[in-house]
Amino acid sequence: QITLKESGPTLVKPTQTLTLTCTFSGFSLSTSGVGVGWIRQPPGKALEWLALIFWDDDKRYSPSLENRLTITKDTSKNQVVLTVTNMDPVDTATYYCAHRGLVVGTTYNWFDPWGQGTLVTVSS
Amino acid sequence: DIQMTQSPSSLSASVGDRVTITCRASQSISSYLNWYQQKPGKAPNLLIYAASSLQSGVPSRFSGSGSGTDFTLTISSLQPEDFATYYCQQSYSSLATFGGGTKVEIK
Repeated sequence: QITLKESGPTLVKPTQTLTLTCTFSGFSLSTSGVGVGWIRQPPGKALEWLALIFWDDDKRYSPSLENRLTITKDTSKNQVVLTVTNMDPVDTATYYCAHRGLVVGTTYNWFDPWGQGTLVTVSS
Repeated sequence: DIQMTQSPSSLSASVGDRVTITCRASQSISSYLNWYQQKPGKAPNLLIYAASSLQSGVPSRFSGSGSGTDFTLTISSLQPEDFATYYCQQSYSSLATFGGGTKVEIK
């Protein structure tokens, strides 16, 4: 059974850097094809994909936030870390990490399952 | 990046109704389209992947269709537990994008 859980601060001040950790179990991030993504959701709004890291350490970032995001992995700890610099009140959101699954032998992929999410509020 | 547009943004329906939600991509994404259900205060849950493949454990009243730029999620007979918000997501590009969501409410 795959599980993921996000952890990090619930409140950050404007201009600060947010560091979130996704701790997972039930899969290895060293297995070919596997990835972990980060997605956020402002209160009452839609989902927004942020970043993705692959088993081979390849990384992808949302073009609109690329200069503020860094995603890393620690395979030995089964963790993925997302940092977001220069936080602003508009970054207030629930941040989710999710397992990137795929159909073996194809490139069809999806996010499942997801962590429970962690609400991060940006306020002075 | 690829833009995903869902319609309608919300709808009201009754238990037993057939419900259809549409998702349109800004460019062809073949069948690289996923559908998620999200209930208030909960994380999204995968319903359909690769446009029409039902995720394990998802009731058969959910179905997906389409390819290229136009896709549809259909709930054949709406049940009380189906009142939620639904999102499409393209996985054609490694830069994933989600639609704006469709909230299904009780009429």
